[in-house]
Amino acid sequence: AQSVTQLGSHVSVSEGALVLLRCNYSSSVPPYLFWYVQYPNQGLQLLLKYTTGATLVKGINGFEAEFKKSETSFHLTKPSAHMSDAAEYFCAVSDRQAGNNRKLIWGLGTSLAVNP
Amino acid sequence: KAGVTQTPRYLIKTRGQQVTLSCSPISGHRSVSWYQQTPGQGLQFLFEYFSETQRNKGNFPGRFSGRQFSNSRSEMNVSTLELGDSALYLCASSLAGVNTEAFFGQGTRLTVV
Repeated sequence: AQSVTQLGSHVSVSEGALVLLRCNYSSSVPPYLFWYVQYPNQGLQLLLKYTTGATLVKGINGFEAEFKKSETSFHLTKPSAHMSDAAEYFCAVSDRQAGNNRKLIWGLGTSLAVNP
Repeated sequence: KAGVTQTPRYLIKTRGQQVTLSCSPISGHRSVSWYQQTPGQGLQFLFEYFSETQRNKGNFPGRFSGRQFSNSRSEMNVSTLELGDSALYLCASSLAGVNTEAFFGQGTRLTVV
C-alpha cells in the first residue's frame, strides 16, 4: 500500500535560514505529489503539487519542491525562512493508477518553528 | 468566491451521543472529502463523495457515515460517540477528485466528554 514518510515531526530554523522539509513515498509508479500548509486553527492550503512535467515545482510563498524518482522523494524547500512560515506542513500522495479509487495518502506532518 | 464552509466550528458532545457535521463546498465543486485529524494519527481519510455517490472510503467503523446532496453539500454523522472520536474534522472540496487541488474548510473541532 502507498505510504508517505515525513522525516522529522519538528523542524526549527532561524529567520533567514534555509527551510528543508523531507518527504518520501513508497510507490513503484510515481504518484501525484502535494505539499499543504496548515496554520493554527485553520484548514489546509495547497502550497504546490507535482502531476507531470518539470520535476522542480514552484509554489506559493516562495516554496518549491523537487520530485526525484530515483530517491522516491519530494522535499520542500525555501531559501530564506520568514516568521510567518511557522506552521504545520503536510506531504500527500495520490496513486495515479487508481482511477476513481484514487485518494490522498498523508504524511504525519512536520511542525516548522522559525526563530528570530 | 466563497470558500469551503464547515459548521459548526466547535462542538462538545457526551459519550454515546451522535453528531452531524456539515460542509458546504466551493460552488461548482462536485467532490467532497472528509478527514479526521488528531495529534497522534495525523490526517486520516474518512470518505469521498462525488455527485451524491460515495466514491472512496477509509478504514473507519460503520459509526462514521456521510452523504452528499444534489447541491454538493455534504454531511457526516458519527453515532455512539467515543472519547477517541475527539478530533478536528476537515472537509475538502475539489472540482473532480484528488489529483486536482483540494480546498479545505477550517474544520469542526469535536470534543467528546
